[in-house]
Amino acid sequence: GQNIDQPTEMTATEGAIVQINCTYQTSGFNGLFWYQQHAGEAPTFLSYNVLDGLEEKGRFSSFLSRSKGYSYLLLKELQMKDSASYLCALKGDSSYKLIFGSGTRLLVRP
Amino acid sequence: AAGVIQSPRHLIKEKRETATLKCYPIPRHDTVYWYQQGPGQDPQFLISFYEKMQSDKGSIPDRFSAQQFSDYHSELNMSSLELGDSALYFCASSLGTNTGELFFGEGSRLTVL
Repeated sequence: GQNIDQPTEMTATEGAIVQINCTYQTSGFNGLFWYQQHAGEAPTFLSYNVLDGLEEKGRFSSFLSRSKGYSYLLLKELQMKDSASYLCALKGDSSYKLIFGSGTRLLVRP
Repeated sequence: AAGVIQSPRHLIKEKRETATLKCYPIPRHDTVYWYQQGPGQDPQFLISFYEKMQSDKGSIPDRFSAQQFSDYHSELNMSSLELGDSALYFCASSLGTNTGELFFGEGSRLTVL
């Protein structure tokens, strides 16, 4: 089975940097993924890690440590439109399904 | 660019009725996933198909069934609807199964009264 943990809510200021953590337990590992979801809309893919280390994609970066079962999503130069839920997702035992965590609701304030 | 198309976008049904949701994946995508998302909850994996065969099954009730057709579109059939089935149903598609980059449709909102 798989278990994914994320903080429920976070608040940050426009222009700042925020780090959203995700810890997981899984018996198999086929990748760790980050999605953004605005309320009532579909999730959109942000980033993924299969190997340990940092993946950078513009204002977004994601880090993975497989030995620690830990990942984080780093958002730089925060903008108001970044207010959304950020979902950590895992391809664990099966490579056919993506299991989502409960998400972190990020509120960006002026 | 073409995205994942879901229909209908909104559906209202009574308890014990049936409903069918349709999903048209991005052209050339061979894998389709169905997710159910209740209010304030994360998307729950229901079922997936790869090359028209069921590839994995999640927390899909026995009252639900799904299939992928020869043109790769998929349908989710829900019978004996219950109040708790009210949710946003997302379909997603991907090219191959090794990727976690899923492309989601805008969802079908089902309300059961």
